[in-house]
Amino acid sequence: KAGVTQTPRYLIKTRGQQVTLSCSPISGHRSVSWYQQTPGQGLQFLFEYFSETQRNKGNFPGRFSGRQFSNSRSEMNVSTLELGDSALYLCASSLVYGNTGELFFGEGSRLTVL
Amino acid sequence: GENVEQHPSTLSVQEGDSAVIKCTYSDSASNYFPWYKQELGKRPQLIIDIRSNVGEKKDQRIAVTLNKTAKHFSLHITETQPEDSAVYFCAALNQAGTALIFGKGTTLSVSS
Repeated sequence: KAGVTQTPRYLIKTRGQQVTLSCSPISGHRSVSWYQQTPGQGLQFLFEYFSETQRNKGNFPGRFSGRQFSNSRSEMNVSTLELGDSALYLCASSLVYGNTGELFFGEGSRLTVL
Repeated sequence: GENVEQHPSTLSVQEGDSAVIKCTYSDSASNYFPWYKQELGKRPQLIIDIRSNVGEKKDQRIAVTLNKTAKHFSLHITETQPEDSAVYFCAALNQAGTALIFGKGTTLSVSS
């Protein structure tokens, strides 16, 4: 069974630009969550999508948004990039909603904002 | 706000020693506590989890204990091996039961 796939793996953007990251969950998983990982800060929850609807949202500004398609693939978008948005963005899929079961993470998309 | 504190931030042990990582959480309503291991350059993976209806869970060399009264839980690794070297993250389910709040991680180094 294929794991969680994230694209692109690496990208460099400049301040003010926008970026879209993609996540393909494990087949059969309807929940996709996104996390931001920065050095020394652990993983911070961005949002969760389940059955094409955003179910939960973390404490991030509105510049961070996402969506989920009918095949459960998810995208997250960050607009008006800031230097502080440089991070590893991880998505995780799960069989269950609400992060109450095992999360299967992708390898992440490493974003550098210059 | 909801918070998970994790200590220590770094831990160095000799192969064969035990390692203990401790986490405290702020929300007494939390009822799910997983631990994830992230090897260098790799994705986080669940290694063990515990729910609030039990006080301890063990899986081979790894165990987790939970003290709901004190609002803390710990990861215990016995007979450590070099391949245990990684960053370990604890997490607690938030008050609404909808998202995990992660600690900032512990970098464990096991030297042979």
